[in-house]
Amino acid sequence: ILNVEQSPQSLHVQEGDSTNFTCSFPSSNFYALHWYRWETAKSPEALFVMTLNGDEKKKGRISATLNTKEGYSYLYIKGSQPEDSATYLCSPMDSNYQLIWGAGTKLIIKP
Amino acid sequence: DVKVTQSSRYLVKRTGEKVFLECVQDMDHENMFWYRQDPGLGLRLIYFSYDVKMKEKGDIPEGYSVSREKKERFSLILESASTNQTSMYLCASSLSYISYEQYFGPGTRLTVT
Repeated sequence: ILNVEQSPQSLHVQEGDSTNFTCSFPSSNFYALHWYRWETAKSPEALFVMTLNGDEKKKGRISATLNTKEGYSYLYIKGSQPEDSATYLCSPMDSNYQLIWGAGTKLIIKP
Repeated sequence: DVKVTQSSRYLVKRTGEKVFLECVQDMDHENMFWYRQDPGLGLRLIYFSYDVKMKEKGDIPEGYSVSREKKERFSLILESASTNQTSMYLCASSLSYISYEQYFGPGTRLTVT
């Protein structure tokens, strides 16, 4: 069973600034990593599914990188906007296909 | 777009009541999931189903049961609700458990008094 840690727990960022946060997981038995965005009063929504070491994925101003050897993934948001305010969830899957969810990083964008 | 709907956004029940939470997806997904989310914790898997009438226990199945009589519908049942089952319940579906993202419903916030 993987343990996953997301840091920081919460983050206040000025509109227009860029930011990033981390998902850490044990590097052994890794299979895949999912990132989700969960806005208040809405459904969690998938951002990325990543599997390969060195993978980089991008969707608009949001991008993610994956390092499976050292067991971390970064999520970057460039030029934060109010609509980026959400909780970002990281979920690694191990080689037994067990998906474990982090507690999330709550991002608040200050206008 | 995949749509996952849940029967209620908010629900208040009394201790000991039997509670049904319904989830319907419209994309013919094989896999469906029930999670609960509590403050400060990650989503915890209660049950999942990979086919009609098939179910597998997740991490915290105690006090819950599920039913999947049709592919599009996955129900979570609290046989006798207790106050420690007060939580946000999320349903999700996916094309493949292994490789594909999950699509979530809006959640049901259940309060048991």
